[in-house]
Amino acid sequence: DTGVSQDPRHKITKRGQNVTFRCDPISEHNRLYWYRQTLGQGPEFLTYFQNEAQLEKSRLLSDRFSAERPKGSFSTLEIQRTEQGDSAMYLCASSPYRLRSSGNTIYFGEGSWLTVV
Amino acid sequence: GQQVMQIPQYQHVQEGEDFTTYCNSSTTLSNIQWYKQRPGGHPVFLIQLVKSGEVKKQKRLTFQFGEAKKNSSLHITATQTTDVGTYFCGPDTGRRALTFGSGTRLQVQP
Repeated sequence: DTGVSQDPRHKITKRGQNVTFRCDPISEHNRLYWYRQTLGQGPEFLTYFQNEAQLEKSRLLSDRFSAERPKGSFSTLEIQRTEQGDSAMYLCASSPYRLRSSGNTIYFGEGSWLTVV
Repeated sequence: GQQVMQIPQYQHVQEGEDFTTYCNSSTTLSNIQWYKQRPGGHPVFLIQLVKSGEVKKQKRLTFQFGEAKKNSSLHITATQTTDVGTYFCGPDTGRRALTFGSGTRLQVQP
C-alpha cells in the first residue's frame, strides 16, 4: 500500500490523558499536513511540514498540541491533557512540492478518530 | 486570510437529477482541488484545476475554474446513489493558506 497511513485509526481516552497519532506519508512526498475534522465540517488546517521543517501552524493549534517530523518522513501529532472538545477525526495528508502551481495535490490518510470521555 | 465559501451546504436530489456545487474564494487562487468524502470516510482527491477558465470532465462530473480564478464549480449529470457524500473544494496549494471549503453534502434519493 503506497497511500498515507495513520495509526491508530481509533482512540478512546479519558480527559486529561495524552495521546499521540502517527502518520506515514506517501514516500516521495516532502510535504505533510495535519487537519482536524468534526462532524458536518470541512477539514480544518492545523499545521504542515516541508521535509522536517514545520512551516506553518494554525492558531487553532493550542499549546497542548505539538507536531513533529524529525527525519522528514513520518510525523507525530501529540495532544497533551486532552479535553472533550478535542474529540474529532485527525487527518494526515501529504503532497509533493514543486515550484510550479500544478501537481501539488494533497492526498489524505483514512484519519484517526479521537474520542475523549 | 483566504476565505473559501461553498454553496449550497446541502442538497437532496432524486436519482437522475443534476447537481451543482459552487466554490467562491475571496482571493485569486493559483489552483483548486476538489475532493469527495463518503459518510464515515476520508476526503478523496477528484481533480485539480490550474488554468483560468479550465474545464475538465470525469464521466458524469464536470469541473470548471472561473476566468478570474476566484471561483469553481462541480456539476454532476444524472446523479446516482453512488454520488452520495460531501464534496469539498480547496485548498490552494500554491499559497501558504490551506483552507478547505465547508463542503456540500449531497443526498440522492433512489
